[in-house]
Amino acid sequence: GEDVEQSLFLSVREGDSSVINCTYTDSSSTYLYWYKQEPGAGLQLLTYIFSNMDMKQDQRLTVLLNKKDKHLSLRIADTQTGDSAIYFCAERYNNNDMRFGAGTRLTVKP
Amino acid sequence: DTEVTQTPKHLVMGMTNKKSLKCEQHMGHRAMYWYKQKAKKPPELMFVYSYEKLSINESVPSRFSPECPNSSLLNLHLHALQPEDSALYLCASSQAAVAGGAGELFFGEGSRLTVL
Repeated sequence: GEDVEQSLFLSVREGDSSVINCTYTDSSSTYLYWYKQEPGAGLQLLTYIFSNMDMKQDQRLTVLLNKKDKHLSLRIADTQTGDSAIYFCAERYNNNDMRFGAGTRLTVKP
Repeated sequence: DTEVTQTPKHLVMGMTNKKSLKCEQHMGHRAMYWYKQKAKKPPELMFVYSYEKLSINESVPSRFSPECPNSSLLNLHLHALQPEDSALYLCASSQAAVAGGAGELFFGEGSRLTVL
């Protein structure tokens, strides 16, 4: 099957910006999402972007979408230790199906 | 209320036991989901209920039996499970796609299942 691809690990220093990248599969996907999962917890929706947009900003989070290359990124400004978690990229590719990437483990060092 | 509540948080069961996982939401969402998540892996879709009818069953073994008693509740009945079924089981809900909107999933905290 087709995969949503993400790099598995990212390590940054506290206060730096983090950029997590994702390549999705279906050019007809209508919405793309970023979820955060802390250890032992469920997935928390961080933000989403509609496919006809190329950027969305929400406080410290900036999502960039390059529809031509099917590339999605999540930038976290002023990264804090509380941002350490696994970040999943996901695409909605039909009415009720969502395809997740493998997740990027973000480690923030003090 | 933007919460999806799952019970129990932890469950240990033997291979001959019968148990159930429960999920509840009061956001008026008409689509509800069960996902299975193994360690260090993304969630895998198991079942989708749309307007209280099973709309997707991702070839899940019959030892997992979903039930949607009403629009707010979703159960997963477990019977004769195997040790490899040990995982975090996540419930989620969303507005039904026909209602428009982003259709984002709201997840519960999960039920961590251990099968001995």
